[in-house]
Amino acid sequence: DTEVTQTPKHLVMGMTNKKSLKCEQHMGHRAMYWYKQKAKKPPELMFVYSYEKLSINESVPSRFSPECPNSSLLNLHLHALQPEDSALYLCASSQENGGINIQYFGAGTRLSVL
Amino acid sequence: KQEVTQIPAALSVPEGENLVLNCSFTDSAIYNLQWFRQDPGKGLTSLLLIQSSQREQTSGRLNASLDKSSGRSTLYIAASQPGDSATYLCAVLLNILTGGGNKLTFGTGTQLKVEL
Repeated sequence: DTEVTQTPKHLVMGMTNKKSLKCEQHMGHRAMYWYKQKAKKPPELMFVYSYEKLSINESVPSRFSPECPNSSLLNLHLHALQPEDSALYLCASSQENGGINIQYFGAGTRLSVL
Repeated sequence: KQEVTQIPAALSVPEGENLVLNCSFTDSAIYNLQWFRQDPGKGLTSLLLIQSSQREQTSGRLNASLDKSSGRSTLYIAASQPGDSATYLCAVLLNILTGGGNKLTFGTGTQLKVEL
């Protein structure tokens, strides 16, 4: 099973709302990632968690708040977003195995901020 | 800072044609290079991964090559089919972070359309 599951698939929210994106994997991977992707652009890394600890924050605004409650679950809490935050949010996980390190991606959450 | 570019940005070919997608990177000290496929509005599917010590990898009709010294990789697709239509992204990994996480730098992508 190489599946990374993201919920919800679509989300529409107002600028004053609070919502959360969820990501789950059961591959035993100890690194998990959040990416943001705008239309016709490559994914941009937002956060990396390694062994449930935040290891990279790519200078993301504080209105995005990641959380890794356990080794299988990664959340992204959203508050007071702006219309320009509308994008596809991708979650990924990885584990190094014998020198091979592959990231597996979820299908993404399409977020629209009104 | 690692920069990754892909040429062409878009490509339209008739079904059955063999084609080559190009990826170039500025820092040759990479750990590995990965090719992904992305269908519109969907996540990324890993196609091939080439370790820095390897020259090429093959999977079915796909063949990826790596030339670290020149900072280039190519993805060769044989006998293209309409189902191959998607955006293809290459991504390089410079090093493994402490604890096993890694930071990929993605290319700009090639949007491929295979027509009947």
